[in-house]
Amino acid sequence: DSGVTQTPKHLITATGQRVTLRCSPRSGDLSVYWYQQSLDQGLQFLIQYYNGEERAKGNILERFSAQQFPDLHSELNLSSLELGDSALYFCASSPQQLAHNEQFFGPGTRLTVL
Amino acid sequence: AQKITQTQPGMFVQEKEAVTLDCTYDTSDPSYGLFWYKQPSSGEMIFLIYQGSYDQQNATEGRYSLNFQKARKSANLVISASQLGDSAMYFCAMREPSRTPLVFGKGTRLSVIA
Repeated sequence: DSGVTQTPKHLITATGQRVTLRCSPRSGDLSVYWYQQSLDQGLQFLIQYYNGEERAKGNILERFSAQQFPDLHSELNLSSLELGDSALYFCASSPQQLAHNEQFFGPGTRLTVL
Repeated sequence: AQKITQTQPGMFVQEKEAVTLDCTYDTSDPSYGLFWYKQPSSGEMIFLIYQGSYDQQNATEGRYSLNFQKARKSANLVISASQLGDSAMYFCAMREPSRTPLVFGKGTRLSVIA
């Protein structure tokens, strides 16, 4: 158990819909990262928050947005869903922003768009 | 340009034997970190081992060791005494100090045979 929690574990929805994925980092970790793992793209970084502020952006679509709340949990919002958004979405946390600390991954949310 | 290359899509190893999973990386930054993660069929990402670019010795964690050859830009994972539970996808990743997210390779699927 990494200490990072993600809900829900599975999500099945239809095209055009909007979903919210939730992540609680390890106690004391200030950085939260979101990654998408799909069969064709592999593991891709989406976005990072550090202590409530956006710090880095990767290949995140405009239909996707995220935020980190004062209690440090984070939410990833996916809207106008398309079939290609079906993937495993991971949240990871680390204690510091730039140090070479490992990132601890949550169990992931498997999103299926029908 | 691809930052992390894992050239072995799949590997087989006999139980109790050692196996080496290859990883080469590309960076011009003198400071970086290299990571290996394991992803079993259940989907979670499990941190295995970390090597810093300035570390003098190869990292070891139990049955896992990292064969770090800086001049060759390679960071191979060695698993000794393979067990059936080692069957999983293995991802090599790199983190440069100027870029906070991890960059992953495409992974190697390891199958341990009894």
